[in-house]
Amino acid sequence: EDQVTQSPEALRLQEGESSSLNCSYTVSGLRGLFWYRQDPGKGPEFLFTLYSAGEEKEKERLKATLTKKESFLHITAPKPEDSATYLCAVQAGNAGNMLTFGGGTRLMVKP
Amino acid sequence: KAGVTQTPRYLIKTRGQQVTLSCSPISGHRSVSWYQQTPGQGLQFLFEYFSETQRNKGNFPGRFSGRQFSNSRSEMNVSTLELGDSALYLCASRKQGASDEQFFGPGTRLTVL
Repeated sequence: EDQVTQSPEALRLQEGESSSLNCSYTVSGLRGLFWYRQDPGKGPEFLFTLYSAGEEKEKERLKATLTKKESFLHITAPKPEDSATYLCAVQAGNAGNMLTFGGGTRLMVKP
Repeated sequence: KAGVTQTPRYLIKTRGQQVTLSCSPISGHRSVSWYQQTPGQGLQFLFEYFSETQRNKGNFPGRFSGRQFSNSRSEMNVSTLELGDSALYLCASRKQGASDEQFFGPGTRLTVL
């Protein structure tokens, strides 16, 4: 059974204080690993897709990396508007478009 | 380019009733997936439709069903509602054959009293 575990569950940062969110996964034949951002009361917003170990992708203050067992979302010099829940999900090669999600990390950035 | 739209956005029902939720995918997207999001269980996959056929189904009871129309719009139905069905129901669409990104709608907030 595919499993995704995210840590920490919640993270408080001061504005400008860089940190990393972790996503550990077990999946039978990884097809893709996805990062989403979700604001309260809204649907998840797509951030990145990673396909193979060693791959990295960047967008503004966010950088996602992937190994064979985990992915990291690095946040550099965060701003209050980066406050949100960050979700990690995996797609197995034999599961169509089904995504298995982790529980998320709730990030709060204080000015 | 319009995103995924879901209607209604909010719904209040009582136990035992049934409900139908609607999802219109991004134009050109033929794959639609449904997810249930609750504080305790997080985001859980319900089912996926492609070209009017159910391709995949999650571990939910038969009270949860869905369908897809020829224009790719999808509906999901929950019969005999229970209190535990209170959740945010999210729809995601994907352009099959292109990248793997799935784009989510704003969700329908269902409250069962």
